[in-house]
Amino acid sequence: NAGVTQTPKFQVLKTGQSMTLQCAQDMNHEYMSWYRQDPGMGLRLIHYSVGAGITDQGEVPNGYNVSRSTTEDFPLRLLSAAPSQTSVYFCASSYSSLLLGGYTFGSGTRLTVV
Amino acid sequence: EDQVTQSPEALRLQEGESSSLNCSYTVSGLRGLFWYRQDPGKGPEFLFTLYSAGEEKEKERLKATLTKKESFLHITAPKPEDSATYLCAAHGGSQGNLIFGKGTKLSVKP
Repeated sequence: NAGVTQTPKFQVLKTGQSMTLQCAQDMNHEYMSWYRQDPGMGLRLIHYSVGAGITDQGEVPNGYNVSRSTTEDFPLRLLSAAPSQTSVYFCASSYSSLLLGGYTFGSGTRLTVV
Repeated sequence: EDQVTQSPEALRLQEGESSSLNCSYTVSGLRGLFWYRQDPGKGPEFLFTLYSAGEEKEKERLKATLTKKESFLHITAPKPEDSATYLCAAHGGSQGNLIFGKGTKLSVKP
């Protein structure tokens, strides 16, 4: 099925560990982004990309890195996990930065840092 | 500061009891106002985009409207399957990204 695929669905990390959250889309979308969702905070933008090789920071980028080597993939790297990064992470994509037709979201990765 | 505020935070309705959800925004250079539905444990699902004041869009029991300062999501004769969190988001602002409200959690009881 076409859409946005995120892996893993659940992850528990120890403080200081690093990991990569995977995101892939098969809709040939140029625009991709990562959000985190916390209770009472809503969805907040971490990083986004308007195309392969181009990334930029969102509202809450600290502690996260991204790269976009292909149109399909947009991984999010946690460099040194902290309890404050416990959250649900969503990857989203859109045909263009104009967001025509809205975002398509993945099903999320629930991350717990202990 | 670019901001999107949704009210109420939670809304409980009886099946068939119509109501409205509010989304007020202060976003420079608004390019579009989006509504999403989110079920527990899932990603948001796109419902509507509104681009200009006075515009309306409908889908089944849902109708979204837009003014220069706010948007409403009207739910007519809701059913239990309409229970979800409804998210409003404005596309625009200083970075030109999607700015989300905190959502309204709707519960429809049979």
